Amino acid sequence: DVKVTQSSRYLVKRTGEKVFLECVQDMDHENMFWYRQDPGLGLRLIYFSYDVKMKEKGDIPEGYSVSREKKERFSLILESASTNQTSMYLCASSLSGLPTYEQYFGPGTRLTVT
Amino acid sequence: QQQVKQSPQSLIVQKGGISIINCAYENTAFDYFPWYQQFPGKGPALLIAIRPDVSEKKEGRFTISFNKSAKQFSLHIMDSQPGDSATYFCAGTIQGAQKLVFGQGTRLTINP
Repeated sequence: DVKVTQSSRYLVKRTGEKVFLECVQDMDHENMFWYRQDPGLGLRLIYFSYDVKMKEKGDIPEGYSVSREKKERFSLILESASTNQTSMYLCASSLSGLPTYEQYFGPGTRLTVT
Repeated sequence: QQQVKQSPQSLIVQKGGISIINCAYENTAFDYFPWYQQFPGKGPALLIAIRPDVSEKKEGRFTISFNKSAKQFSLHIMDSQPGDSATYFCAGTIQGAQKLVFGQGTRLTINP
C-alpha cells in the first residue's frame, strides 16, 4: 500500500512566523503535490514537483514556496504566515507511469494562523 | 477554462436511496474525469474514473454518467449506505499534464 505521511495533523502558528509542512511518501513516486482544501472551494493546487529539485507553480502559489531535495520528501514553506493561510493542507504523490488522475493523498495538516 | 463546477454543496439521502452529485466542466482538453472520496480525518482517495468517450462506467454501487455534448458528468450511488457518508470531489485532468482540477466538493450524509 502506498503511504503518504505528513509531519503534523494540527499546527497553530502566529502571523509572520515561518512555517514548514513536511510530506514523505514511501513508494518511489516521481510526482508530488501540495493542495489546500477550503470549504466550498474544493482542493486547489499550490505547487507540484515531478522530479528532485524540480517544481512548478500550481493555481495558488502566492505566499508559498516548496523544496524537494530527496525523491521521497516534499516540503511546503510559508515564508511569513498570514491568517488567510489558515486551511487544511494536503500532500499527494503519483507515479509517472500511472494515469494522471491516480494520486495518493496524505491525511492532511490543519494549520491555524492566529 | 480550467474550472470544474460541482453541485450540490451538501446532500442528505435516506439509507437505501440514490445519491446523485453533478459536475460540469469547461476545458474540452480534459480526457479523464475521476471522482475522489474523502472520509473525515483522511485524505481523498480515488473512487472511480471515466474517459469522455464512454457514456457510463459502473463499479459496484457507484456509477459515473457522462454527457460529452453538455460537458457534464455525474456520480450515482445506488442503495446508499451510512458508510458512504463522506465528501466527494469530481475532477478533470489531461493525461501527461500531471495536474488534477477539482470541483468544490459535496458533503454527503446518509441517514440510517
